[in-house]
Amino acid sequence: GAGVSQSPSNKVTEKGKDVELRCDPISGHTALYWYRQRLGQGLEFLIYFQGNSAPDKSGLPSDRFSAERTGESVSTLTIQRTQQEDSAVYLCASSSFRVDYGYTFGSGTRLTVV
Amino acid sequence: AQSVAQPEDQVNVAEGNPLTVKCTYSVSGNPYLFWYVQYPNRGLQFLLKYITGDNLVKGSYGFEAEFNKSQTSFHLKKPSALVSDSALYFCAVRPASGGSYIPTFGRGTSLIVHP
Repeated sequence: GAGVSQSPSNKVTEKGKDVELRCDPISGHTALYWYRQRLGQGLEFLIYFQGNSAPDKSGLPSDRFSAERTGESVSTLTIQRTQQEDSAVYLCASSSFRVDYGYTFGSGTRLTVV
Repeated sequence: AQSVAQPEDQVNVAEGNPLTVKCTYSVSGNPYLFWYVQYPNRGLQFLLKYITGDNLVKGSYGFEAEFNKSQTSFHLKKPSALVSDSALYFCAVRPASGGSYIPTFGRGTSLIVHP
């Protein structure tokens, strides 16, 4: 597609439920990144995928967070047993390997845990 | 480890005046540097980047940034601010080679342009 697409745009869930957030990167972009942005905060790195290499999961805050990506296509970020502190905007970005054109971000998923 | 500092949480400027949003960085080796803008309830939009070449980089919407290697800075500038420039601005860095390919973002600077 023309840009990075994220769905849903908004998600309200009850504490303790599992949620899945989806990111559809730009076609041909080998790299995909997930970030978390809490209200009034900067971007917190979560996980990085590059082609078929093992993902860099060093930013995942707990074992309740996981993400998958098949090849260079769609990625899914899953949060199990959601907590109120998980409330944030989850941003996805993709880039070509050379990154000459920078990183293209989606509009994000605003997650609210009640 | 790489890092970015945006020392000002907020910058206020009058419309028509020049603006500067500061960014300093720390990275092993040569940097790739980026500026992004975020409008309310939107994702981040790319403004400009420094990869190599001229230290003065020109980007979208009349913005420019100057790479200063000795001061490890990459300040964002615009000669004449518009009210519509009011937004949240993020600086990012990653090493040009080796190290992590993951860009590190600063905490963001809120730019407020007064009419």
